[in-house]
Amino acid sequence: GESVGLHLPTLSVQEGDNSIINCAYSNSASDYFIWYKQESGKGPQFIIDIRSNMDKRQGQRVTVLLNKTVKHLSLQIAATQPGDSAVYFCAETEGTALIFGKGTTLSVSS
Amino acid sequence: GAGVSQSPRYKVAKRGQDVALRCDPISGHVSLFWYQQALGQGPEFLTYFQNEAQLDKSGLPSDRFFAERPEGSVSTLKIQRTQQEDSAVYLCASSQVTGEAFFGQGTRLTVV
Repeated sequence: GESVGLHLPTLSVQEGDNSIINCAYSNSASDYFIWYKQESGKGPQFIIDIRSNMDKRQGQRVTVLLNKTVKHLSLQIAATQPGDSAVYFCAETEGTALIFGKGTTLSVSS
Repeated sequence: GAGVSQSPRYKVAKRGQDVALRCDPISGHVSLFWYQQALGQGPEFLTYFQNEAQLDKSGLPSDRFFAERPEGSVSTLKIQRTQQEDSAVYLCASSQVTGEAFFGQGTRLTVV
């Protein structure tokens, strides 16, 4: 299963599927974006980042896409695993602070 | 330590009580941040230190909130005369001057 377009607060997928989590950011002047994963009872954990001079960046099983024209960020997770179940936040930098978007809860069933 | 350590993990305070939340950043990290995370929401920025200097406190919601980092290492977030709307998870993060911010597990504050 996958999700495109507007931000969804929850996303449920089957193990092995690819997942797409979307985020809209507010500040057109932001030049650095980060995706965080937050498991229950834990602090946010860095997944991947991208600078505004790029439109795509790949990591291990994850890809971040940046569309500056519409101020949209997405996180793609390949071959989603039960351990990927968590809340995912995008964040943009504003000065020294991180401004977090609305989270998406990803549930992976096996 | 290996990561950012926060204490206590849980704090229950009676309304009107003062609380102090502690953050031990990763050794050598110059930057330290405090965030407030309400239930079901993303973290919201409170304040930022570079070494002992508090360079940005624009996110502190009221003058009841005060943060310090006197020796450029451990930081304390103090909330005076707590109110129910202060109930949240308070997250601390540290980083090098630039680069990835590492978050602690947070302190869950419940004001009753």
